[in-house]
Amino acid sequence: GAGVSQSPSNKVTEKGKDVELRCDPISGHTALYWYRQSLGQGLEFLIYFQGNSAPDKSGLPSDRFSAERTGGSVSTLTIQRTQQEDSAVYLCASTLNQGGNTEAFFGQGTRLTVV
Amino acid sequence: GENVEQHPSTLSVQEGDSAVIKCTYSDSASNYFPWYKQELGKGPQLIIDIRSNVGEKKDQRIAVTLNKTAKHFSLHITETQPEDSAVYFCAASMGGGSYIPTFGRGTSLIVHP
Repeated sequence: GAGVSQSPSNKVTEKGKDVELRCDPISGHTALYWYRQSLGQGLEFLIYFQGNSAPDKSGLPSDRFSAERTGGSVSTLTIQRTQQEDSAVYLCASTLNQGGNTEAFFGQGTRLTVV
Repeated sequence: GENVEQHPSTLSVQEGDSAVIKCTYSDSASNYFPWYKQELGKGPQLIIDIRSNVGEKKDQRIAVTLNKTAKHFSLHITETQPEDSAVYFCAASMGGGSYIPTFGRGTSLIVHP
């Protein structure tokens, strides 16, 4: 596709269950980010992947959160033992990050509701 | 780390009026300042950006100004239209290979017809 694709668009899960959120970045983009947007809040940085470098995990709120990026393309954000405070929109973005091109393109997000 | 403050949190204007959103940042090493527009149910979309080697940039009805000395930058929208209603986010980053934008908390702009 032409843009960043995220799936599912909506996810309702029971407290304590694990969830996986998927992001397909724009082809050729070397950088990929995950952000969390809680109701009425800004964009909270979670994790950053750049090429083959070790990811920057400094924004992950707890060890229940993890993410991987396979083959430098698709990324999966996993939340284990979900809590109600995990309810938010999870946004993925990708960037070409070459030649000074640092524009971040966002997906439409996954709205996670923990009940 | 970088800290970005954005004001106001909500802004209500009449169609045709101008709207100004202001942001401050803390890290003097930041050199790239994008602005994003987020419509309901969609991801943020870049509308304009500015780098630290310029003080002002304009694209039709929108403009951004940057004051590196004071560490603040602003978004100006002239002749506002109802379709400008959205949440606007400012961001700051150091660019380069470790580009991780830090976002402000957003401004909800409502343009009344």
